Amino acid sequence: DARVTQTPRHKVTEMGQEVTMRCQPILGHNTVFWYRQTMMQGLELLAYFRNRAPLDDSGMPKDRFSAEMPDATLATLKIQPSEPRDSAVYFCASGFGQGVLYFGPGTRLTVT
Amino acid sequence: GESVGLHLPTLSVQEGDNSIINCAYSNSASDYFIWYKQESGKGPQFIIDIRSNMDKRQGQRVTVLLNKTVKHLSLQIAATQPGDSAVYFCAEILNTDKLIFGTGTRLQVFP
Repeated sequence: DARVTQTPRHKVTEMGQEVTMRCQPILGHNTVFWYRQTMMQGLELLAYFRNRAPLDDSGMPKDRFSAEMPDATLATLKIQPSEPRDSAVYFCASGFGQGVLYFGPGTRLTVT
Repeated sequence: GESVGLHLPTLSVQEGDNSIINCAYSNSASDYFIWYKQESGKGPQFIIDIRSNMDKRQGQRVTVLLNKTVKHLSLQIAATQPGDSAVYFCAEILNTDKLIFGTGTRLQVFP
């Protein structure tokens, strides 16, 4: 039963600390997306990759957020420094492009 | 389980009744649409999709209708069950791979 995995599931950190979230996409999928879900904004697209190449990160605050795919089995989303307004659930999703995305369980981030 | 506590429109239906969830999309050039279901503490889960060259598609207990003239999608759930309680999102594909989500509707099923 192939699925997207994300770690950690929960993260509590203090303002100013670095946060790294990891995602393992479904084997064989060639697109990987990062979304953020908050009460006010719903599901926002932060960044996405096709064949490990970043295609669009216009939804991401560039000064503090970075997204990478070091290899086909790992995608990372890093926040440095973190701020309380970054508190949200961060979802990773993967797919074959122009089609259905399969979501992971999310990382719930709380920045105090 | 966790919940993001979204402030969403809510549809309350009695178990066994049919549910209709509506969605207005933004871009007339969008050519692919997907409905997702999100249960508390989980990621969105695919329900059904439809391409812009169709106006109706049926699945198991679910039907999606697409009206391109008014940029409107609906999801119909037949014989709604307690397990259908969740937040439902429509999403549209813009510019190749980008999947953009609507605001969501919370479905509550009561006995």
